Amino acid sequence: EDKVVQSPLSLVVHEGDTVTLNCSYEVTNFRSLLWYKQEKKAPTFLFMLTSSGIEKKSGRLSSILDKKELFSILNITATQTGDSAVYLCAAPLYNTNAGKSTFGDGTTLTVKP
Amino acid sequence: DTEVTQTPKHLVMGMTNKKSLKCEQHMGHRAMYWYKQKAKKPPELMFVYSYEKLSINESVPSRFSPECPNSSLLNLHLHALQPEDSALYLCASSQAGTGLHRHGYTFGSGTRLTVV
Repeated sequence: EDKVVQSPLSLVVHEGDTVTLNCSYEVTNFRSLLWYKQEKKAPTFLFMLTSSGIEKKSGRLSSILDKKELFSILNITATQTGDSAVYLCAAPLYNTNAGKSTFGDGTTLTVKP
Repeated sequence: DTEVTQTPKHLVMGMTNKKSLKCEQHMGHRAMYWYKQKAKKPPELMFVYSYEKLSINESVPSRFSPECPNSSLLNLHLHALQPEDSALYLCASSQAGTGLHRHGYTFGSGTRLTVV
């Protein structure tokens, strides 16, 4: 059975701290892993990672995938209160289940002033 | 236009009502999705449409009826819902097939549904 597991489930930090969120996966015919940030409503796309191992960066956020150990990390440096959100990772399935993704349960990040 | 637009944003309905949720995108995406999300849980897939045809139905009860009138529109018709159906209903779109793996989903802001 395909599985995506995120850790920790919740995290409380202070502004300026650096955080690392984890996402491990076991997915048949793995192609990509997606990271999303969800505040009140719509999950917003952060990164797409593949087995290429190429790190993705956007401002204070970065992410990389380890294809050997089957996990990805999302780093946020110099955290701000606006980073408070649920961070979701998802692995889109392939073949007959095209369109379907296995989601992790999310990491709830709270950044205190 | 890089948005998925959902209406209404909030909906309160009785258990005997019939209502519809609407979703629209103009990104040329040929795959569209309905997700249900309960508090503190990840989105849970309900339906996938690929090229306007229903390709995945995740054993959703028949009181939820999806419809894809054209490549830009997706509806979810609701009838005789139960209080436990109260949730955030998210629409998403993506490129079809392997395109999903390159660009991911674009989600709408959701409809917060309360069944009373």
